Amino acid sequence: AQSVTQLDSQVPVFEEAPVELRCNYSSSVSVYLFWYVQYPNQGLQLLLKYLSGSTLVKGINGFEAEFNKSQTSFHLRKPSVHISDTAEYFCAVSDRYKGNTPLVFGKGTRLSVIA
Amino acid sequence: DAGITQSPRYKITETGRQVTLMCHQTWSHSYMFWYRQDLGHGLRLIYYSAAADITDKGEVPDGYVVSRSKTENFPLTLESATRSQTSVYFCATGLAGVDTQYFGPGTRLTVL
Repeated sequence: AQSVTQLDSQVPVFEEAPVELRCNYSSSVSVYLFWYVQYPNQGLQLLLKYLSGSTLVKGINGFEAEFNKSQTSFHLRKPSVHISDTAEYFCAVSDRYKGNTPLVFGKGTRLSVIA
Repeated sequence: DAGITQSPRYKITETGRQVTLMCHQTWSHSYMFWYRQDLGHGLRLIYYSAAADITDKGEVPDGYVVSRSKTENFPLTLESATRSQTSVYFCATGLAGVDTQYFGPGTRLTVL
């Protein structure tokens, strides 16, 4: 079984400041890792994913994440946030050997960017 | 290209009533999923389907029924709605062997 822990439920940050949203996972098997973003009253949109290869993954809107196998982490970062980044962010994992298996999500981190 | 549509977008019903939430996709993705989103819980899987006529339970299936007679449709039925089923429901699709899932806009269901 897999589980995902997002260490911060809310993160307030000033505009143009850097941000890191933390994600740790637990799994008995190798996993794929994802970050999704949910803007108010919308569905989820894929930000980035780690499947294999380079542990630093770049996504849309200037976000990036680093896979750390020894620490079982997949933290999301952005060097300079904008007001438009205000949203809920979800970290998720899936079993890499089972094709398109259901995602296991963390509880989410609400990022609030302050002008 | 409509992608994934969910209907209705908003629904208010009463305890004990049967409710069906519809999910329709135009991509012919083989996988379809139903998740519910609740404050403090993130998204939890209710049911999923790998192909037409193949469905499997997720983490929170009790009180829900699904069917998939056609690839493009994956309805979710609450047989006898309860207040604890008040939630936002998301349908998602995906291709076999590819791990990205695509989410619909969601249905906000309130059970009074």
